[in-house]
Parts: sequence; C-alpha cells; structure tokens
Amino acid sequence: DVKVTQSSRYLVKRTGEKVFLECVQDMDHENMFWYRQDPGLGLRLIYFSYDVKMKEKGDIPEGYSVSREKKERFSLILESASTNQTSMYLCASRQGSNQPQHFGDGTRLSIL
Amino acid sequence: AQSVAQPEDQVNVAEGNPLTVKCTYSVSGNPYLFWYVQYPNRGLQFLLKYITGDNLVKGSYGFEAEFNKSQTSFHLKKPSALVSDSALYFCAVRDIADFNKFYFGSGTKLNVKP
Repeated sequence: DVKVTQSSRYLVKRTGEKVFLECVQDMDHENMFWYRQDPGLGLRLIYFSYDVKMKEKGDIPEGYSVSREKKERFSLILESASTNQTSMYLCASRQGSNQPQHFGDGTRLSIL
Repeated sequence: AQSVAQPEDQVNVAEGNPLTVKCTYSVSGNPYLFWYVQYPNRGLQFLLKYITGDNLVKGSYGFEAEFNKSQTSFHLKKPSALVSDSALYFCAVRDIADFNKFYFGSGTKLNVKP
C-alpha cells in the first residue's frame, strides 16, 4: 500500500512566522501535490511537482512556495503566515496520469 | 472552464437502503472522473475512477458509479448503505490538457442512520 506521511497532524503558528509543512511518500511516485481544504470549497491545488526540483503553480499559489529536493519529499512553505491561511492542508502523490492520487492524513494549521 | 458540481451538501439515508451521491461535470472532451471518500480527521481515499469503457464502474467497499455522457453525470451509488459509510464524499475530474490538475467538487456529507 502507498503511504503518504505528513509530519504534523496539528500545528499552531503565529502571524508572520515562516511555516514548513513536510510530506513524504514511500512509493517512488513522480508526481506530488499540495492542496488546501476549506469547508464548502472542496480541495484547491496550491502547487504540484512532477519531478525532483520541478514545480508548477496550482490555482492558489499566492503566499506559498514549495521545495522538492528529493523524490520522496515535498515541502510546502508559508513565507509569512497570515490568518487567512488557517486551513487543512493535504499532500498527495501519484504515479502516472491515469492513476488516482494517494493522500496523507492532512495537517490542520491554525495561524493566530 | 472544467469543473464538477455536487449539488447536495448532505445526503441522509437509512441503513440498508440504497444510496446515491450526485456529481455532474463540465468538460470539453472525454472526462476522467474520480470518487474519493474522507473519514473524519483523515485524508481522502480513492474509491473508483472512470477513464473509458463500461459506463458502470465498480469500486471499493461495494460502491459503484454510473457515467452518463448525455446528462454529464457521474453519480456514486451503493445498493445497501452501512452506518460505516457515513463520511464526506468528493467527486473530481482531471484536466483535459494538464494531466496534473484535478478539479474537486465541494463535497457531500453522507449520513447513514441505523
């Protein structure tokens, strides 16, 4: 079974802090994704990566950046956290364009 | 623009009864459609997908979905609901041109009562 592990289930940070969310997958998948999930809005894509050091902006990249130095690890960075970034963040990975995504359990991030 | 819509925020059904969770899509071309389920405090789990072929797709946990091109729908169904099916369900469509982009519906909360 594919395992996607997000380093924190719950995180509380302060406005203006730099925040790192980590995600690791164990199936050598090429593609990795970061989404945020908000009630009534479903999932919205922040960034995705199709290879090491390669990244593409999703639909809502503002205020975020990503890093993929190794194939198994995809990090989401909030450069200067703001209260409107309080949300559930989901990481996913996938192998192949016809394959489903496998999701981690999410990080519930609160910015105070 | 490509999108999916889940017209019901919540669906209530009694245990043992059939259930349907609705999804309609808007795609210019042949759609690749997916259903996921999310249990509380967990990530999304893949249930089933439609790529091509038979309009009735069978998936995990006894779920199935019917692809209807004329109605642009991909409704999720199960003949007999279980209390343990209570969860949040998401429909998604893959972008026609950019295979790395998916568009998710807003989710439907399924409540199965004993």
